[in-house]
Amino acid sequence: DIVMTQSPDSLAVSLGERATINCKSSQSLLYASNNKNYLAWYQHKPGQPPKLLIYGASVRESGVPDRFSGSGSETDFALTINNVQAEDVAVYYCQQYFNDPPYSFGPGTKLEIK
Amino acid sequence: EVQLVQSGAEVKKPGDSLKISCKASGYSFTDYWIGWVRQKPGKGLEWMGIIYPGYSETRYGPSFQGHVTISVDTSITSAFLQWDSLSDSDTAIFFCARARTAWDPSDPFDIWGQGTPVTVSS
Repeated sequence: DIVMTQSPDSLAVSLGERATINCKSSQSLLYASNNKNYLAWYQHKPGQPPKLLIYGASVRESGVPDRFSGSGSETDFALTINNVQAEDVAVYYCQQYFNDPPYSFGPGTKLEIK
Repeated sequence: EVQLVQSGAEVKKPGDSLKISCKASGYSFTDYWIGWVRQKPGKGLEWMGIIYPGYSETRYGPSFQGHVTISVDTSITSAFLQWDSLSDSDTAIFFCARARTAWDPSDPFDIWGQGTPVTVSS
């Protein structure tokens, strides 16, 4: 099974600054036949269900502000939040959905405001 | 509106059985895989398994195989997560969620239920 790791465990940034969260998979998530990376990012706030932000490593879900962006390929990925706002405080998870299940999540990164 | 509405909070004793539900509406229920995700208190998200309502094909994560049963009832456009015998370690919030693309299990979850808290305590 594919194991996902994230770094850092938590980070605190000032309003308006940039936050970068890293995600690494134990094997490549790049499907050669279509050149797509099977990696998603979610935002999870307390008391709410998770929200899909990014899929295909870099494709923003409809309605997601463009200050959220995803990058990376194969085994190394990043979620960048530019101009961090107070409403961005949440736990962020990466998830792989490559090939066969289980489609594991990373352990999560908690974003706070400094 | 596409939505998943889950059944309410449950409080159970160890050894009890339980079946929680996830009612889908606003889309063709039989075309999209539905999954279940666990969040234990203070912990992260865990992928439990998915089911294709079109023909009830089910796939489980290794930690959950044999411990839970995922099923659907297409007549009421609902998915279910079931335990035959709960233990304290099953205390968690359980989310149902829909795969983003029709017919494709290899996809992220774009629509989520509100979550069902389950507390197991003697």
